[in-house]
Amino acid sequence: EAAVTQSPRNKVTVTGGNVTLSCRQTNSHNYMYWYRQDTGHGLRLIHYSYGAGNLQIGDVPDGYKATRTTQEDFFLLLELASPSQTSLYFCASSDLGNSDYTFGSGTRLLVI
Amino acid sequence: SQWGEENLQALSIQEGEDVTMNCSYKTYTTVVQWYRQKSGKGPAQLILIRSNEREKRSGRLRATLDTSSQSSSLSITGTLATDTAVYFCASIDRGSALGRLHFGAGTQLIVIP
Repeated sequence: EAAVTQSPRNKVTVTGGNVTLSCRQTNSHNYMYWYRQDTGHGLRLIHYSYGAGNLQIGDVPDGYKATRTTQEDFFLLLELASPSQTSLYFCASSDLGNSDYTFGSGTRLLVI
Repeated sequence: SQWGEENLQALSIQEGEDVTMNCSYKTYTTVVQWYRQKSGKGPAQLILIRSNEREKRSGRLRATLDTSSQSSSLSITGTLATDTAVYFCASIDRGSALGRLHFGAGTQLIVIP
């Protein structure tokens, strides 16, 4: 079954720490996205990509890097984590960028 | 957010009742999608309605799109306790070649058995 799988499911790190969130999709979709979800803000786009090696900046990119290594794999990197990055992170993939969105189950990140 | 501008609100209803959730936009959109997010899960796409469609149905769900008023609605008939979730609308920027979705804050629906 086509899916988007995120890991880890939960992560705790200290301020200044280095964190990598992973996402793999088996949908054969070209587009992949990283969102963060916070109470009162809904889902906000951090970075996205339309293929291996491609990266696009989203609406809230500060403090985040991303890398799309293959069609299937999209990583979100926090090189100097801050408490403001405590959030629920979702990865998603889509076909042609405008339909059939599939989300992963999320990674809950706590920066202390 | 500029798009999918419904404020986070909470609705509490009895099982079996019908409910309608609304969403409005400040700019033109080509596609509106409605999502449901259950506790501890990622959003799941429910229904997609394009700018040339006024209404779309899927089972107990009905979505409408009014481009003149830049608004959309999602109705659920005969609600079940399992419909308890947060419902989001999301729109796609007409000018976006990459189909970026813009999400609203969502509506928390609680269906009491």
